[in-house]
Amino acid sequence: RKEVEQDPGPFNVPEGATVAFNCTYSNSASQSFFWYRQDCRKEPKLLMSVYSSGNEDGRFTAQLNRASQYISLLIRDSKLSDSATYLCVSKRGANNLFFGTGTRLTVIP
Amino acid sequence: SQTIHQWPATLVQPVGSPLSLECTVEGTSNPNLYWYRQAAGRGLQLLFYSVGIGQISSEVPQNLSASRPQDRQFILSSKKLLLSDSGFYLCAWSPRGGDTEAFFGQGTRLTVV
Repeated sequence: RKEVEQDPGPFNVPEGATVAFNCTYSNSASQSFFWYRQDCRKEPKLLMSVYSSGNEDGRFTAQLNRASQYISLLIRDSKLSDSATYLCVSKRGANNLFFGTGTRLTVIP
Repeated sequence: SQTIHQWPATLVQPVGSPLSLECTVEGTSNPNLYWYRQAAGRGLQLLFYSVGIGQISSEVPQNLSASRPQDRQFILSSKKLLLSDSGFYLCAWSPRGGDTEAFFGQGTRLTVV
């Protein structure tokens, strides 16, 4: 079983829509979680960390559910520039970073 | 501030040729260092990670090797490339210890022909 699993999409949404991505992790010992954004043919870049109490950064909200072992990312008021692949990441210990395969989002004018 | 440099950006190599990709980090000490590969349309696969000079852990058996000759230098190598080695190679670093994220270099797009 993969350490981190997420729906590959694609998600095609109109501008202004709200879209949510979920991701599950298999190891309950995972300690920290992140969402990365990857543009086509570019390196992944950190979008936001995911805190136990949930956290928000502008139009982006991340939540963690340890009991069900999933994390989510909510994007409100989608912009064309939000089109990218979103990678879910779990970290266990100091060295073990596990990436999901990514969810592709296309925001349509 | 910390920066990570990875080169070259693109590379086309014939089957059977050697490979050397270099990654350096500036502005930090004792980083954890990682090499990932991302095949077309697929997720990130961890190839190697290092917690210190000369300390390399391999995640998957493969045609590649890694070395860390200096604290902030990480090298990915192969003696003879295979077609299946084509992909997007990414170097990353994270601060030692703690629940911190990783920061990626710009990647090397390798095509083996």
